Amino acid sequence: GAGVSQSPSNKVTEKGKDVELRCDPISGHTALYWYRQSLGQGLEFLIYFQGNSAPDKSGLPSDRFSAERTGGSVSTLTIQRTQQEDSAVYLCASGGGRIQAGGYTFGSGTRLTVV
Amino acid sequence: RKEVEQDPGPFNVPEGATVAFNCTYSNSASQSFFWYRQDCRKEPKLLMSVYSSGNEDGRFTAQLNRASQYISLLIRDSKLSDSATYLCVAQMYSSASKIIFGSGTRLSIRP
Repeated sequence: GAGVSQSPSNKVTEKGKDVELRCDPISGHTALYWYRQSLGQGLEFLIYFQGNSAPDKSGLPSDRFSAERTGGSVSTLTIQRTQQEDSAVYLCASGGGRIQAGGYTFGSGTRLTVV
Repeated sequence: RKEVEQDPGPFNVPEGATVAFNCTYSNSASQSFFWYRQDCRKEPKLLMSVYSSGNEDGRFTAQLNRASQYISLLIRDSKLSDSATYLCVAQMYSSASKIIFGSGTRLSIRP
């Protein structure tokens, strides 16, 4: 597709369950970011993938969070044993290269609600 | 100290006014800069890149001051539709080249 695609758009899950969030970046984009945003708050960096380099996981809040990017394309963010404080919008962004003069494109996000 | 800092606002200005916000960055190695706009409950969207010589796009002007390590966004003749949160972004030229977002400045234009 022409843009960054995220699925599901909404997810309601029970506390303690695992969830998987998917991001399909723009074809050919080598850089991929995951952020989360709580209501009324700024973007919280989670993880960054750049080509074949080891990902920058410095933003992952706990070991319950993990992400992978298969074949340099689709990325999955997994949250294990979800907690209520994990409720937020999870945003994915992709860019065309290490230095992206044209900025990064965001998907419309996955709104996660943990009940 | 945050790597990219913005005044959270809110800035509340009348339609037609000129409004400006600044964003400071702490890492002098930062080389690329952008302004993004985020509407309520929407994803951020690129508004404009910021070039060393300054650049203009219609009513919007972006400037970079490397000596003082800040970028600015000026909006002239503001419209109701300009109401949004404006995020500034810095990126370093390094092996990581990670982009860093500010927390955003809220702008509200009143009729």
